[in-house]
Amino acid sequence: LAKTTQPISMDSYEGQEVNITCSHNNIATNDYITWYQQFPSQGPRFIIQGYKTKVTNEVASLFIPADRKSSTLSLPRVSLSDTAVYYCLVGDGLNTGGFKTIFGAGTRLFVKA
Amino acid sequence: EAQVTQNPRYLITVTGKKLTVTCSQNMNHEYMSWYRQDPGLGLRQIYYSMNVEVTDKGDVPEGYKVSRKEKRNFPLILESPSPNQTSLYFCASSLTGEGFSYEQYFGPGTRLTVT
Repeated sequence: LAKTTQPISMDSYEGQEVNITCSHNNIATNDYITWYQQFPSQGPRFIIQGYKTKVTNEVASLFIPADRKSSTLSLPRVSLSDTAVYYCLVGDGLNTGGFKTIFGAGTRLFVKA
Repeated sequence: EAQVTQNPRYLITVTGKKLTVTCSQNMNHEYMSWYRQDPGLGLRQIYYSMNVEVTDKGDVPEGYKVSRKEKRNFPLILESPSPNQTSLYFCASSLTGEGFSYEQYFGPGTRLTVT
């Protein structure tokens, strides 16, 4: 499993776009990149997943450059309720079912009014 | 409603008294997993199961046992709990087996205190 590196914390203001970058230099060919959000004392919640280029859903976008050694989670127009910890995971869901999992320390995002 | 349930949600126990934390999912997922979360250490995987009767160790399996006799249930067993197992525990299940999906659904957590 590829190790990931994320900033420990980030601050933002309501209405701004927030970009959180994750570094995964040892990503393997079969690995996918997945992001989770966690609020205090709750289980993590899936946000988005991708393999290459750009993926967008109703809550976020995920940008993955051609070399796939990093990825950026983009949260458009954040609100106070987006204050949470965000985890980047890299793994081969195809072979392991996505369960040999290393979450890492995550990025603590604090959104201010 | 699709969900992962855990019981109990809160538990205070004493050292050495065997306990079981139950986990159940109603999504017909093949894959299930247990994590513990401690301040400053993030989420660490304890055990996972890829199917009925198939389990494997995660990163921190010592002091824990699991079983997967039915697809929907994946109990976590602490045969002789110790204070260093005081933690917040999460069970998760996965919608894998469909190619690339790595999405895990998490339960609400069980806060365990061992005195």
